[in-house]
Amino acid sequence: KAGVTQTPRYLIKTRGQQVTLSCSPISGHRSVSWYQQTPGQGLQFLFEYFSETQRNKGNFPGRFSGRQFSNSRSEMNVSTLELGDSALYLCASSSAHGGTGELFFGEGSRLTVL
Amino acid sequence: AQRVTQPEKLLSVFKGAPVELKCNYSYSGSPELFWYVQYSRQRLQLLLRHISRESIKGFTADLNKGETSFHLKKPFAQEEDSAMYYCALTPYSGGYQKVTFGTGTKLQVIP
Repeated sequence: KAGVTQTPRYLIKTRGQQVTLSCSPISGHRSVSWYQQTPGQGLQFLFEYFSETQRNKGNFPGRFSGRQFSNSRSEMNVSTLELGDSALYLCASSSAHGGTGELFFGEGSRLTVL
Repeated sequence: AQRVTQPEKLLSVFKGAPVELKCNYSYSGSPELFWYVQYSRQRLQLLLRHISRESIKGFTADLNKGETSFHLKKPFAQEEDSAMYYCALTPYSGGYQKVTFGTGTKLQVIP
């Protein structure tokens, strides 16, 4: 079974630009959640999607958004990038919703904002 | 609101010494607790969860509701245990609940 795949793996943007990250979950998993990982803050929950609907959202500004498609693939978008958005963005899929099951993580997309 | 605290950013122990990675949580209801581990150049992965009551790679963790803790323990550390460890919590109340992670503890096992 293929694992969770995230693209792109690395990207560099400048302030004010926007970025879209993609996540393909494990086949059969309907829950996809996104996390921002930084050295000082650890993993911070961004949002979770299940069956194409956002089920939960973390404490991030509206510049952070996402969506899920019918095949469970998910994208997250960050608009008007700020220097503080530089981080590793992790996607995780699960066969269960709402964090009740094991999370399977991707390798992450490392975003650098200059 | 739920919160997970891992007080140590770095824990260094000698090979063969006991290991205890601390995790304290704040949540008024019934939590489900996990330990995730990230080895060098590998993905973050589940190590164990409290409802399974398993020992994985020699690690155990007991949920202490009185002290609101879920410390990870191993009697004899091995070099391959060196990794980043994250404690995580989700409310055990059904519905769509978010997972809250601690800030992580880096375990360094000295040969």
